[in-house]
Amino acid sequence: DTEVTQTPKHLVMGMTNKKSLKCEQHMGHRAMYWYKQKAKKPPELMFVYSYEKLSINESVPSRFSPECPNSSLLNLHLHALQPEDSALYLCASSQDEAGAETQYFGPGTRLLVL
Amino acid sequence: RKEVEQDPGPFNVPEGATVAFNCTYSNSASQSFFWYRQDCRKEPKLLMSVYSSGNEDGRFTAQLNRASQYISLLIRDSKLSDSATYLCVVNGGGGSYIPTFGRGTSLIVHP
Repeated sequence: DTEVTQTPKHLVMGMTNKKSLKCEQHMGHRAMYWYKQKAKKPPELMFVYSYEKLSINESVPSRFSPECPNSSLLNLHLHALQPEDSALYLCASSQDEAGAETQYFGPGTRLLVL
Repeated sequence: RKEVEQDPGPFNVPEGATVAFNCTYSNSASQSFFWYRQDCRKEPKLLMSVYSSGNEDGRFTAQLNRASQYISLLIRDSKLSDSATYLCVVNGGGGSYIPTFGRGTSLIVHP
């Protein structure tokens, strides 16, 4: 099973809403990632969790709050987002964070902030 | 200078053509290299890892040139289904394990 799943597939939210994106993998991977991708741009790394601990935060605004409840799950909590946060949010996982590992991406959540 | 650079294209080629993309990277300590393929409105999917000795998978050949700090992807006998954006990813180097993406190269294969 080389699948990373993400829910929901699409999300529309207002600037005062609170919502969460979910990501799950059952490959035994110990590193999980959140990326943001705008149209015609490459994915931008937001957060990296390694062995369930936050290891990298790429200066992401606090309105994005990651959480790793266990080794298979990764959440991204959203609060008070701005319209410019509308994008495709991709989750990925890899065996570990050793830098030589292939990342496997989920299908993404397409977020629209109104 | 950007850490990982790719020509965004688009590369517009006929079916059956051979096409090559390059990707340059600035961190000489980078450890691992990948080509991903991304279709419109889909997630990136691994196409192939790039090894020092070069590697081939069917119509696709990837090479690494550490001296000149670039990786390449060669696609032979292009198919319509090869139309996509090809993303170069460079990992590691200098104690950082942050994967760095190039901006992607768009390939359009036409009949």
